[in-house]
Amino acid sequence: DGGITQSPKYLFRKEGQNVTLSCEQNLNHDAMYWYRQDPGQGLRLIYYSQIVNDFQKGDIAEGYSVSREKKESFPLTVTSAQKNPTAFYLCASSPDGPLSGYTFGSGTRLTVV
Amino acid sequence: AQSVTQPDIHITVSEGASLELRCNYSYGATPYLFWYVQSPGQGLQLLLKYFSGDTLVQGIKGFEAEFKRSQSSFNLRKPSVHWSDAAEYFCAVLANQAGTALIFGKGTTLSVSS
Repeated sequence: DGGITQSPKYLFRKEGQNVTLSCEQNLNHDAMYWYRQDPGQGLRLIYYSQIVNDFQKGDIAEGYSVSREKKESFPLTVTSAQKNPTAFYLCASSPDGPLSGYTFGSGTRLTVV
Repeated sequence: AQSVTQPDIHITVSEGASLELRCNYSYGATPYLFWYVQSPGQGLQLLLKYFSGDTLVQGIKGFEAEFKRSQSSFNLRKPSVHWSDAAEYFCAVLANQAGTALIFGKGTTLSVSS
């Protein structure tokens, strides 16, 4: 079955460390997105990519980086520059942009210890 | 800039009762509007979307939503709530067809009492 897979489901990071969250989709979707979810804050856009080898900053890109070397993969790196990284991270994809609606992964919960 | 507001943080409804979740958007023209649902610890699932035409749209799981331009609202409704509907609900907006990504409201948590 086609879908979007995020791994790991839970991730613990020590302060000062970089960590990479994986997002893979086998839906042949062109567009992919990373959102951060905090309690009572809804979803905030970190980065998005509309096509391979291209990506754009969202509203809260500081302290994060991404790459889009393959159509099916859009990993997110949380760097040590991100001051408050503890959150639930959601990856989504869509066939050709947000009008098509998103397919979401199950999320990764990142905790800084 | 476009934005979306969900005025209710938490709502409790008795099983079998009707439900209405409020969503207000801020945008000059007619936006593209969506409702998503999220079960605890999971990703989001699309319930329905409105682009144009009939202002009452039907979605999955028995949900519907009505677009009211005069009130800048896109409220989600269900005639009879089931215990499995307990979840968090998000309204989202896209300003125009060239918009790059959805903007989400802060969500409304629905609890269902027996």
